[in-house]
Amino acid sequence: QKEVEQDPGPLSVPEGAIVSLNCTYSNSAFQYFMWYRQYSRKGPELLMYTYSSGNKEDGRFTAQVDKSSKYISLFIRDSQPSDSATYLCAMRVPAQKLVFGQGTRLTINP
Amino acid sequence: ETGVTQSPTHLIKTRGQQVTLRCSSQSGHNTVSWYQQALGQGPQFIFQYYREEENGRGNFPPRFSGLQFPNYSSELNVNALELDDSALYLCASSFDRDEAFFGQGTRLTVV
Repeated sequence: QKEVEQDPGPLSVPEGAIVSLNCTYSNSAFQYFMWYRQYSRKGPELLMYTYSSGNKEDGRFTAQVDKSSKYISLFIRDSQPSDSATYLCAMRVPAQKLVFGQGTRLTINP
Repeated sequence: ETGVTQSPTHLIKTRGQQVTLRCSSQSGHNTVSWYQQALGQGPQFIFQYYREEENGRGNFPPRFSGLQFPNYSSELNVNALELDDSALYLCASSFDRDEAFFGQGTRLTVV
C-alpha cells in the first residue's frame, strides 16, 4: 500500500465548476500538507501549504485537512481553462522528505 | 518563478554513460532535495542535502550520488545509466528543510 493515495483521473469539468481533488494517507506522523500544480513538462508549483487540520483559503483555492480521517482535499472555485494541469498532493514529517501522490490530471473545458 | 534553476533542461544519454545534473537554490535557502518523476507518476525522493550534509536518502541505488556546495547549489550524478532512469529530475530548495520550491526540472532520456 502506498503511503499517499491519489486518484490519477483524468478529471474533466466545464469552466466555472467547483473542482474537488482528494488524497488519503496512511502515515499518521505526517504534519505538513501541500498541494502543487504542475503544467505539462514543467516543475511543480506550490499552491497551498498547511500544517494543522482545518481549512485554508487563498483566492479561488481552499485546502482542507482532516487528520482524524487521514484525508486532504483541494477545492477550486470558478474553475478556469488555465487551471488545467496535474495537481499533486504532498505531505511530510517535519524536516523530512516530501511524499507525493500520483497526481490528478485536470482539464477545464471552455 | 521560484528562483530555483536547473541545468540542462533536456539531455539525451546512452545506456551505461554517466550524467551530472545541476541545481542553483533560491537565495537564502540552505536545503536542496532531488526527486525523480517518471511519466504519469508523482515525484519520488532521491536524497536531500542540508548545509552540505546528506540528510536522508530514498530507495535509489548507490549509482545515484550527489553533493551540495558551500553556496548551497547542488549536483546529482548518475552512473551506469539504465533505460529506466529516463525521467524528469526535479530539484527543490528550502530554508531549514521547510517549504520546498521546485525548479523546472531536467528531462533525461536514456537510449
